[in-house]
Amino acid sequence: GQNIDQPTEMTATEGAIVQINCTYQTSGFNGLFWYQQHAGEAPTFLSYNVLDGLEEKGRFSSFLSRSKGYSYLLLKELQMKDSASYLCAVRLHILTGGGNKLTFGTGTQLKVEL
Amino acid sequence: SAVISQKPSRDICQRGTSLTIQCQVDSQVTMMFWYRQQPGQSLTLIATANQGSEATYESGFVIDKFPISRPNLTFSTLTVSNMSPEDSSIYLCSVGGVRPNEQFFGPGTRLTVL
Repeated sequence: GQNIDQPTEMTATEGAIVQINCTYQTSGFNGLFWYQQHAGEAPTFLSYNVLDGLEEKGRFSSFLSRSKGYSYLLLKELQMKDSASYLCAVRLHILTGGGNKLTFGTGTQLKVEL
Repeated sequence: SAVISQKPSRDICQRGTSLTIQCQVDSQVTMMFWYRQQPGQSLTLIATANQGSEATYESGFVIDKFPISRPNLTFSTLTVSNMSPEDSSIYLCSVGGVRPNEQFFGPGTRLTVL
């Protein structure tokens, strides 16, 4: 089976930096996604990592360590609009029966305060 | 990115009835998935919709309860049958893109069962 863990809630201050961690235990790993989801809306794609290292995209960066089963999403210069749920999702390899489907963590509810 | 629409966007249904949700994509896609997001929860995969063959269901989900059609590469339907209040949830259609880092979600269908 698979196990994906994220903190349930985090609070940070506007303008600050926050790191949201995700640990996973899977077989046949084939990529890790981060999504942002505002209340009442569909998830929107933020980042994708399949190789070890850091992927930077504007204020958002995502890191992956496959050997440790660990990823984090880094949000810089936080804005009030960044208050949302952040979902970590792991994709399994099609050769191990994963079929490109995603398995989601429980999500981290981030609250940005003044 | 693929543009995904879902109908209806929301519905309120009576216990024991069935509702069919439609998912339309603006381009041909190989992989289509149906997810459920119960209140305050993360996303759970219901099934992979296969074009021209029966859907592949995840553990805990069965065809009699969630029949799925996929008549072509741009359209799929999910039916929630014999509904109970426990089926109240957001149902999301998702598609894989051409590139491996692409996985998009439709706007979702918010279902309330009374």
